[in-house]
Amino acid sequence: SAVISQKPSRDICQRGTSLTIQCQVDSQVTMMFWYRQQPGQSLTLIATANQGSEATYESGFVIDKFPISRPNLTFSTLTVSNMSPEDSSIYLCSVRVNTEAFFGQGTRLTVV
Amino acid sequence: AQKVTQAQTEISVVEKEDVTLDCVYETRDTTYYLFWYKQPPSGELVFLIRRNSFDEQNEISGRYSWNFQKSTSSFNFTITASQVVDSAVYFCALSEAGGSARQLTFGSGTQLTVLP
Repeated sequence: SAVISQKPSRDICQRGTSLTIQCQVDSQVTMMFWYRQQPGQSLTLIATANQGSEATYESGFVIDKFPISRPNLTFSTLTVSNMSPEDSSIYLCSVRVNTEAFFGQGTRLTVV
Repeated sequence: AQKVTQAQTEISVVEKEDVTLDCVYETRDTTYYLFWYKQPPSGELVFLIRRNSFDEQNEISGRYSWNFQKSTSSFNFTITASQVVDSAVYFCALSEAGGSARQLTFGSGTQLTVLP
């Protein structure tokens, strides 16, 4: 199994600023996944972060807006840059261990 | 490409009623995994079940049961004798084979409201 500690759990930010979300896993994992859940919507994959290489972004998401770091096998950060109210969402990190899927507690971001 | 459809956007029942949440999926893989998650208002995802494509046995866990039908590509979830605490958004998700390298594809979710 895997336990993921994600922080902050929530934040209210001013438009135009940036927020960095951190995820710490209690075991080494090859890949980490970052999802966005806009209000009332489903979870959408932002990017997949592999240690030692650049993250792979899904269509509609770009590195300049959502830079990701993956410095080691247990840690990753997602930055939401130059925020606008449309970025208000829950952001979740996730890992797969064999066939299981584990999620952080989520970061509820409100941009005002 | 894989896809998960949860046609029921919202369901409202009265406490103690049974309720079934539908999930239909599409995948070209022969090996895949299906999941159900519960998301209460606090926002975290609560894992309910994982089922692999080779195991079509239905499963029961307390008041929860799951009906997996490969012939109709469905993985439906039933709550028996619903309770107010069951009120949440429920997501069905699919992952193709590939272990730790595969992300989950989520359905759009079903908002379940259980009225006292």
